[in-house]
Amino acid sequence: AIRMTQSPSSFSASTGDRVTITCRASQGISSYLAWYQQKPGKAPKLLIYAASTLQSGVPSRFSGSGSGTDFTLTISCLQSEDFATYYCQQYYSYPPFTFGPGTKVDIK
Amino acid sequence: QLQLQESGPGLVKPSETLSLTCTVSGGSISSSSYYWGWIRQPPGKGLEWIGSIYYSGSTYYNPSLKSRVTISVDTSKNQFSLKLSSVTAADTAVYYCASIVVVAEYFQHWGQGTLVTVSS
Repeated sequence: AIRMTQSPSSFSASTGDRVTITCRASQGISSYLAWYQQKPGKAPKLLIYAASTLQSGVPSRFSGSGSGTDFTLTISCLQSEDFATYYCQQYYSYPPFTFGPGTKVDIK
Repeated sequence: QLQLQESGPGLVKPSETLSLTCTVSGGSISSSSYYWGWIRQPPGKGLEWIGSIYYSGSTYYNPSLKSRVTISVDTSKNQFSLKLSSVTAADTAVYYCASIVVVAEYFQHWGQGTLVTVSS
């Protein structure tokens, strides 16, 4: 199975900050990567697929980049509603689909 | 807009079988655009894919759970179901159902999730 890692595991930030989360795959996955946002007590929400394609309705302050093994999720100007946990997921090689362990963004 | 809703018992005894159903609304489960899947999340932990099914009935499962998992589909009710046998406390989790975009294989729509606790 392809192993996904994320860094950092958590960090604190302020509204208005530009934040970047990194996801790394244990082997190349081309651009077969999705990003999800999860708020406490809620289901994950798809933000980005194909590494850089914004899901319909997702604010443009979210962006994704990368291919192969290294990927980033960037929030250009952090809003209060963006404090959440973010997960990456590979869909290059399955079964199984695998998720990263998550990155929690909380308020500084 | 597709909507998914999980249902089933919130408490299951150890060694018994966990059974959940996901009802799809706002679209047909027989759509050629989607697979349907189950994902779980133990309290305070990350996400684990359990398995997926196409409306035709073809399935694929997480190898780590394959021996205990059965996913089925009922197109007449627009539902798909999960059975997980021989459960232990380690199977305590929030269980989500989701739609999976065919060919692309990312999870586009999610149910709200249902907590299943394994305890005697």
